[in-house]
Amino acid sequence: DAGITQSPRHKVTETGTPVTLRCHQTENHRYMYWYRQDPGHGLRLIHYSYGVKDTDKGEVSDGYSVSRSKTEDFLLTLESATSSQTSVYFCAGQGLLSGNTIYFGEGSWLTVV
Amino acid sequence: RKEVEQDPGPFNVPEGATVAFNCTYSNSASQSFFWYRQDCRKEPKLLMSVYSSGNEDGRFTAQLNRASQYISLLIRDSKLSDSATYLCVVLNSNSGYALNFGKGTSLLVTP
Repeated sequence: DAGITQSPRHKVTETGTPVTLRCHQTENHRYMYWYRQDPGHGLRLIHYSYGVKDTDKGEVSDGYSVSRSKTEDFLLTLESATSSQTSVYFCAGQGLLSGNTIYFGEGSWLTVV
Repeated sequence: RKEVEQDPGPFNVPEGATVAFNCTYSNSASQSFFWYRQDCRKEPKLLMSVYSSGNEDGRFTAQLNRASQYISLLIRDSKLSDSATYLCVVLNSNSGYALNFGKGTSLLVTP
């Protein structure tokens, strides 16, 4: 059990609407990540956090924002969803206690129509 | 050049075969290395860490070659259940967020 849960697991939304994906962890991971995975691209980092209120951009951050108000929760927001953001989103956590191993949540499948 | 590169495959092998995957990395200062397994429509899961001296876990053996900057994964006596995508992961520092993922190598084990 990775101790990382994502919600919602599946969502269909309309273009232009805001969407928030939630990641909750119970392992006191210091680092948390949001990735998207698309065919032919592998896992691409959207944003990451290295502590409460400490976040930074990854390689595909345009159109996304994140917040981390407490250690356990890392939120990913699509301010105005577009069809290009249809993807599967994985949250992940990592910390020294886990030997730098990264653990993933089960994924959130988002379809923007 | 991508930081971590893998042959995407697919590798199609019969049950019982031995198959090996390689992964090359570009940053000579990379510190930690992992192999992850990802099943279709599932999250990646840690298969094994890769240690400098090489390590084995049952049918799986991981090797690190720092001089040539690659890691390898050897699967012996392949099972149908080994069919999955195998991701190479390289950590470039102890600061945590310097992770680099390969795109994965697809393995299909056939009866």
